[in-house]
Amino acid sequence: EADIYQTPRYLVIGTGKKITLECSQTMGHDKMYWYQQDPGMELHLIHYSYGVNSTEKGDLSSESTVSRIRTEHFPLTLESARPSHTSQYLCASSLPGQGARNEQFFGPGTRLTVL
Amino acid sequence: GDSVTQMEGPVTLSEEAFLTINCTYTATGYPSLFWYVQYPGEGLQLLLKATKADDKGSNKGFEATYRKETTSFHLEKGSVQVSDSAVYFCALTSGAGSYQLTFGKGTKLSVIP
Repeated sequence: EADIYQTPRYLVIGTGKKITLECSQTMGHDKMYWYQQDPGMELHLIHYSYGVNSTEKGDLSSESTVSRIRTEHFPLTLESARPSHTSQYLCASSLPGQGARNEQFFGPGTRLTVL
Repeated sequence: GDSVTQMEGPVTLSEEAFLTINCTYTATGYPSLFWYVQYPGEGLQLLLKATKADDKGSNKGFEATYRKETTSFHLEKGSVQVSDSAVYFCALTSGAGSYQLTFGKGTKLSVIP
């Protein structure tokens, strides 16, 4: 069983609030990812990291930011939440290397609702 | 670029019916192929994978064979159960220096008693 954790699992907040979604993994994986999952289920990569101090934007433009100060921790921050940010956010990690080693392990997700 | 196309859902089956979810791909190099499953309210879990042509991945009664000639990786199960109700994602990672997964749009399966 993968050891990747996300908190909170559910979050309901008002417009304009600053929020941080937490993601931690205890597997020592170098690579970590954030996905946004829309109600139609499709996954969109919004951020990824190859290791400490590495962050890159994904395929879908996002107003969120990420940081990677420690290997095990990859938080996502929204400075000013809006209703359009309402979504499910999934964090994942994977081993270094290519091919089948790109198998990603997912956390349980954070369901964010912005009122 | 890489892409994955899977059959659109939702798919509704009766318990013990045969399941096929089609998945085809376009990729550079020699991709590895995956099926992930997402149960309600949870994250994605790896269901099975295959790393080269003609490999068959299998798990929990599900199977998929890597078919390079048809660029396909169809998911099958001989007899579905209510507990198989979930969203299924086909995915690939290209061997050409890519470190990311390319996902299909997902297929929602509902199994009714």
